[in-house]
Amino acid sequence: SQKIEQNSEALNIQEGKTATLTCNYTNYSPAYLQWYRQDPGRGPVFLLLIRENEKEKRKERLKVTFDTTLKQSLFHITASQPADSATYLCALDARYSSASKIIFGSGTRLSIRP
Amino acid sequence: DADVTQTPRNRITKTGKRIMLECSQTKGHDRMYWYRQDPGLGLRLIYYSFDVKDINKGEISDGYSVSRQAQAKFSLSLESAIPNQTALYFCATRERSFSGGAVGELFFGEGSRLTVL
Repeated sequence: SQKIEQNSEALNIQEGKTATLTCNYTNYSPAYLQWYRQDPGRGPVFLLLIRENEKEKRKERLKVTFDTTLKQSLFHITASQPADSATYLCALDARYSSASKIIFGSGTRLSIRP
Repeated sequence: DADVTQTPRNRITKTGKRIMLECSQTKGHDRMYWYRQDPGLGLRLIYYSFDVKDINKGEISDGYSVSRQAQAKFSLSLESAIPNQTALYFCATRERSFSGGAVGELFFGEGSRLTVL
């Protein structure tokens, strides 16, 4: 069955360091992979989208990589700040599927300590 | 004003009661979705709709029904609520691409927290 795993439920790092979150998937061929941020009690907010033919995408302090051979995406936040503390969700988007479903991982809760 | 609005934001009800969660959007998107979120399980898709006449079951549709009253409105109903339907529910919208497929990100509402006693 299709499965998405985010490497850890929680990640705790020091302010200023780079946070790296991992998303692995099996039995799936996504056309796109997306990352969302979710704050407690709020809806997820889109951060970045990367296509299957792209290796890397950047936006300000955020960087996403996508390796379709390893079936893995890495999400990096450089120069992390306490305000980056949140839960981060990865999501896979079906390849040319009329079903148009996006399937989410369970998320990694990131805490940045001052 | 929010692009995707969910009502109610919080609801406590008793087992066996009928509950409706409503979602309206001002983004003009064709595609609308209902997700459920439980701790440690992430977001799971309940139902999705491509337009008013096209409604599809997601991975956990049992015990739920939906109604797409208009392009901008998509309601989720629990006909007879049970305690394991206690969760945070999210409505989301998405744009349709020129080719007819989906493109881009989901836009989420702020969520409806439902507690079934």
